[in-house]
Amino acid sequence: DAMVIQNPRYQVTQFGKPVTLSCSQTLNHNVMYWYQQKSSQAPKLLFHYYDKDFNNEADTPDNFQSRRPNTSFCFLDIRSPGLGDAAMYLCATSGSATGNEKLFFGSGTQLSVL
Amino acid sequence: GQSLEQPSEVTAVEGAIVQINCTYQTSGFYGLSWYQQHDGGAPTFLSYNALDGLEETGRFSSFLSRSDSYGYLLLQELQMKDSASYFCVSWGGSYIPTFGRGTSLIVHP
Repeated sequence: DAMVIQNPRYQVTQFGKPVTLSCSQTLNHNVMYWYQQKSSQAPKLLFHYYDKDFNNEADTPDNFQSRRPNTSFCFLDIRSPGLGDAAMYLCATSGSATGNEKLFFGSGTQLSVL
Repeated sequence: GQSLEQPSEVTAVEGAIVQINCTYQTSGFYGLSWYQQHDGGAPTFLSYNALDGLEETGRFSSFLSRSDSYGYLLLQELQMKDSASYFCVSWGGSYIPTFGRGTSLIVHP
């Protein structure tokens, strides 16, 4: 089945140790998003790509970066994780045509920072 | 700017009907979506309204009034498994979905 896959499901890292989260999709969608979600809060948009066109939200910390080497894959790099970066990270995709505003989410990566 | 308002929590009993309201202020608005999220899970799509009126999908319906910048999600014949968080999401600008803070629905037996 076509889907959005995030690996790993759970990631533990140390304070200040770089970590990379991955997302892949078989939907051939050209829009991809990274969200951060903390407990009992709404998902917060960090970045989105329209094809390879990268868009950074104004309040996304510089500590967060992203790469999209091709249509199928997208990565979230956290250069120096702090305790406040512990959260669920959600990858989502959507098709680009207006009228197709449906987000397909991966199952998320729960990041713990020790 | 973009902002959405929805109640933080709603409680109801099994079999009842519940309505979750959402008001929005979205530049370049063109649609409103609803997502369900169970604890520890990812959001899943429920509905999308681009035009005024009611969209029905099984037990769930969603309504939009563009002139009032208002929408709601209606859940009928509530079941215990409907206990979850529900997010309204507005679409404006270029493919920028904005999430509301979410409404925690608690269904009691």
